[in-house]
Amino acid sequence: EAQVTQNPRYLITVTGKKLTVTCSQNMNHEYMSWYRQDPGLGLRQIYYSMNVEVTDKGDVPEGYKVSRKEKRNFPLILESPSPNQTSLYFCASSPGTAETQYFGPGTRLLVL
Amino acid sequence: QKEVEQNSGPLSVPEGAIASLNCTYSDRVSQSFFWYRQYSGKSPELIMSIYSNGDKEDGRFTAQLNKASQYVSLLIRDSQPSDSATYLCAVRVGMLTFGGGTRLMVKP
Repeated sequence: EAQVTQNPRYLITVTGKKLTVTCSQNMNHEYMSWYRQDPGLGLRQIYYSMNVEVTDKGDVPEGYKVSRKEKRNFPLILESPSPNQTSLYFCASSPGTAETQYFGPGTRLLVL
Repeated sequence: QKEVEQNSGPLSVPEGAIASLNCTYSDRVSQSFFWYRQYSGKSPELIMSIYSNGDKEDGRFTAQLNKASQYVSLLIRDSQPSDSATYLCAVRVGMLTFGGGTRLMVKP
């Protein structure tokens, strides 16, 4: 089944404790991205990747890191999480930049 | 000014009615336009994409694009309670930019 998977789905952590949210797709898509969704602010892009070893900042990259060592994986790293990073995070992939994106199930993060 | 604007709603319509959702965008060079549906707590799922001026129909859904006026709309005919969700408009100019979404409530 073609899908985008994210782990974990739910995470409660404390300020400053490094965490990684994994994202994997099995559709051989070149383009992957991370979004955060907050009430009243909609979906905002954090980082995106056009291909392996090619990443770029989106609208709200501060406090986040990503890597794209393999085509299928695009982890999101929070080196030192803060409470303002409490949000719902979505990973998405698409065959190319012009095509529609397929979203993962989301990761709900709470930073205390 | 936000690049993609939507009325947050809620938009309430009775079952069987036509729901009309609107979206305006600021960048005139926008090329691709998408409507996503998102149920509470779930991920967005694509309903329609539209690339050229005019109407595009798919079942009960019709997307309308007017590039001169910089708006795109989604009509849902014969609205059902299962259509109750938040509808996200997305516009691509390089990156995909989402509006804040319109919450639709279809009342039986």
